Amino acid sequence: GENVEQHPSTLSVQEGDSAVIKCTYSDSASNYFPWYKQELGKRPQLIIDIRSNVGEKKDQRIAVTLNKTAKHFSLHITETQPEDSAVYFCAAGISSGSARQLTFGSGTQLTVLP
Amino acid sequence: DGGITQSPKYLFRKEGQNVTLSCEQNLNHDAMYWYRQDPGQGLRLIYYSQIVNDFQKGDIAEGYSVSREKKESFPLTVTSAQKNPTAFYLCASRDPGQGSYEQYFGPGTRLTVT
Repeated sequence: GENVEQHPSTLSVQEGDSAVIKCTYSDSASNYFPWYKQELGKRPQLIIDIRSNVGEKKDQRIAVTLNKTAKHFSLHITETQPEDSAVYFCAAGISSGSARQLTFGSGTQLTVLP
Repeated sequence: DGGITQSPKYLFRKEGQNVTLSCEQNLNHDAMYWYRQDPGQGLRLIYYSQIVNDFQKGDIAEGYSVSREKKESFPLTVTSAQKNPTAFYLCASRDPGQGSYEQYFGPGTRLTVT
């Protein structure tokens, strides 16, 4: 099955700096790559996603890049703010008929220091 | 908060007892999922259901059971056979839109077994 590795497990940055989180996946059939943000004690929420036919996607301060050949994708957060502090999960999505599954990375605890 | 609910928020059980976690959604989503979250391990898929009266095992189904008698409901039973049941359990549902992978999560149930 699919295996997703995520690095780093913890990341501390100064407010205003950029943060980058990287993930690799193993199954070349995966074609959907979402990023979820989970604040302490709360549900994961989708912040951005990308399909395999796209190399980069931006949404304000957040961007995701995908390298299909190397099977890796990254989350970039610019001008970080204290409210960006949370756990971030990457995932790889694969379809089998109408079924669609996500395999998640192990998460990155991002701390933005004021 | 999106129409997917889980109850209770916290659940305490004695070892050897079965316990059922509730998941309800009013989003008209066909697909529903159960994940287990442990510190440092991300989200791992327990069971998923594409349609009423049908469900499949995920990566860590041993010691768990589910039912899907109604579209809106996907309860998870943690049986006494689950060796390490203490965890945060998340339910999710998926938008049935064509080609959609996006999953919406419930608020989670934190189960503690002593």
